Amino acid sequence: AQSVTQPDIHITVSEGASLELRCNYSYGATPYLFWYVQSPGQGLQLLLKYFSGDTLVQGIKGFEAEFKRSQSSFNLRKPSVHWSDAAEYFCAVGAWGGGADGLTFGKGTHLIIQP
Amino acid sequence: NAGVTQTPKFQVLKTGQSMTLQCAQDMNHNSMYWYRQDPGMGLRLIYYSASEGTTDKGEVPNGYNVSRLNKREFSLRLESAAPSQTSVYFCASSEEGHTDTQYFGPGTRLTVL
Repeated sequence: AQSVTQPDIHITVSEGASLELRCNYSYGATPYLFWYVQSPGQGLQLLLKYFSGDTLVQGIKGFEAEFKRSQSSFNLRKPSVHWSDAAEYFCAVGAWGGGADGLTFGKGTHLIIQP
Repeated sequence: NAGVTQTPKFQVLKTGQSMTLQCAQDMNHNSMYWYRQDPGMGLRLIYYSASEGTTDKGEVPNGYNVSRLNKREFSLRLESAAPSQTSVYFCASSEEGHTDTQYFGPGTRLTVL
């Protein structure tokens, strides 16, 4: 079964500063990796995804993520955060085959933006 | 194009009561999912339906049942609600399976007293 670890429960960043959110996964084959964002009281929205090919993936809202197989990581980055980026961020790993091993989410990182 | 819709948005139940959460999507997606979200736990898959006419258990299916009524609709039923089922419930859909992008509804906040 796959698993996802987001080591940081909370991160505080000043507006305009750079951001990196960490994600480590465990999966036996090549994973399908996702980053979702959840604004307060809302559902989840896809930021970006990695299936294969170029290991640096561009997403919406100026986010990017890099897949590093050797480190089993898929960290999310943004060069300059805006106050509107304050939200909960979830990393997820998907697998073929369905069942309870379908799409597994990390526990999330709560991003706080300081003015 | 409304995407994924869920009803109700909020619900309070007493222990032992039953209710059905409704979910519909208008994107012609084959696969649909029910998750629950609890503080500090992320999202956990309750049930999913890979295609119309099929349903399978996810990580936390106990106490729930589902019905894939047609391609658009996927309902979640609590037969005898328990306080442990207090949570926010999200429905999602994807074109084909877990490896496709999932589109989420706005959620149902359920409190069981």
